[in-house]
Amino acid sequence: ETGVTQTPRHLVMGMTNKKSLKCEQHLGHNAMYWYKQSAKKPLELMFVYNFKEQTENNSVPSRFSPECPNSSHLFLHLHTLQPEDSALYLCASSQVQEREYVFGPGTRLTVL
Amino acid sequence: LAKTTQPISMDSYEGQEVNITCSHNNIATNDYITWYQQFPSQGPRFIIQGYKTKVTNEVASLFIPADRKSSTLSLPRVSLSDTAVYYCLVGDRRSSGSARQLTFGSGTQLTVLP
Repeated sequence: ETGVTQTPRHLVMGMTNKKSLKCEQHLGHNAMYWYKQSAKKPLELMFVYNFKEQTENNSVPSRFSPECPNSSHLFLHLHTLQPEDSALYLCASSQVQEREYVFGPGTRLTVL
Repeated sequence: LAKTTQPISMDSYEGQEVNITCSHNNIATNDYITWYQQFPSQGPRFIIQGYKTKVTNEVASLFIPADRKSSTLSLPRVSLSDTAVYYCLVGDRRSSGSARQLTFGSGTQLTVLP
């Protein structure tokens, strides 16, 4: 596969469930990002990883827990989410110096 | 970060040239201007980037006047499939040695009509 892939593409979960979103990039990039896009709202940057190290957490609630085991993989662990967390979750990657991000197709999350 | 202002929406017809203008009065000397395109329920896609004058690629052209306080994305001969949200981004947050952090605004919803 090429580019940035995300799994699952769709996820429905209850507020007490624990689930994980997975992102993988096949571009040799060294920075990865999680964005959240709620309906009718701009993209919100959640987390930034730079050479596997988290460099930014934009005041994201602790019920969202990122993990970056290597430069190619990024996870977003979810637990005890709220209905307002329902959104499109987008992963992106880039070279650290560049403004050209490559985004994945996203995971459409619905919290019941 | 330089604030950007772009129209909320635009309509066009197939085959026309579309120009979307973005204002960025407070652009800094080191800032580049970057445009992304986003289709519904998909991640944004990089279109073009420039610093000054004119940049052209296989998808679009970007015109930047000498004062760099605005920029215009030009899409030649649009088709129905160009219906999307177009984002203008200027500047980014970046601490020493770390990745750039792009901040997206509300963008311009372009609707191409048959």
